[in-house]
Amino acid sequence: DIQMTQSPSSLSASVGDRVTITCQASQDISNYLIWYQQKPGKAPKLLMYDASNLQTGVPSRFSGSGSGTDFTFTISSLQPEDIATYYCQQYITVPLTFGPGTKVDIK
Amino acid sequence: EVQLVESGGRVVRPGGSLRLSCAPSGFKFVDYAMSWVRQAPGKGLEWVSGISWNGGRTGYADSVKGRFTISRDNAKNSLSLQMNTLRPEDTALYFCARAYGSGSYRSYFDYWGQGTLVTVSS
Repeated sequence: DIQMTQSPSSLSASVGDRVTITCQASQDISNYLIWYQQKPGKAPKLLMYDASNLQTGVPSRFSGSGSGTDFTFTISSLQPEDIATYYCQQYITVPLTFGPGTKVDIK
Repeated sequence: EVQLVESGGRVVRPGGSLRLSCAPSGFKFVDYAMSWVRQAPGKGLEWVSGISWNGGRTGYADSVKGRFTISRDNAKNSLSLQMNTLRPEDTALYFCARAYGSGSYRSYFDYWGQGTLVTVSS
């Protein structure tokens, strides 16, 4: 199975700050990497697919990059509504696996 | 509007069985693979099982293989998860999720339901 790790596990930043989360796969997953946002009490929401493509309707302050085993997710200017836990997921092989999540809150 | 509505979650004793259902609407169900993803209280996301568009291919996490069975009825627009020999560690919110793309469950999830809670406890 492909193991996904994320760092940090949590972070606190100010409104307007640039926030970066990293995701690492235990083996090469090319660009089969997804980012989700989950707000408390809600279902996950698809933000980015194939490592760097923004899902329709998602604000452009969100971006992603990377390929192979190392990936980065960035919020260019943190907004209060971005308070959530962010998960990466690989889909190059089954079982599909998720990272443990990064909890983002406002300082 | 795409909607996925799960049902069937409840408290069940260890060793017991439960059947979860998902009712999709707002899209052509037969065109999409589907999956179940769960989230234990306060924990992260875990893919549980997936099924191809026609039910011909299924996959399971090792943690549920041999105990859970995913199925679909395209004529009735329904997705199910039969859960047997339940364990306390199966306690979680179970989400039904639509797989993006060509009908394979080896994909990502563009729509999710709100989940149904399964609690395994004596």
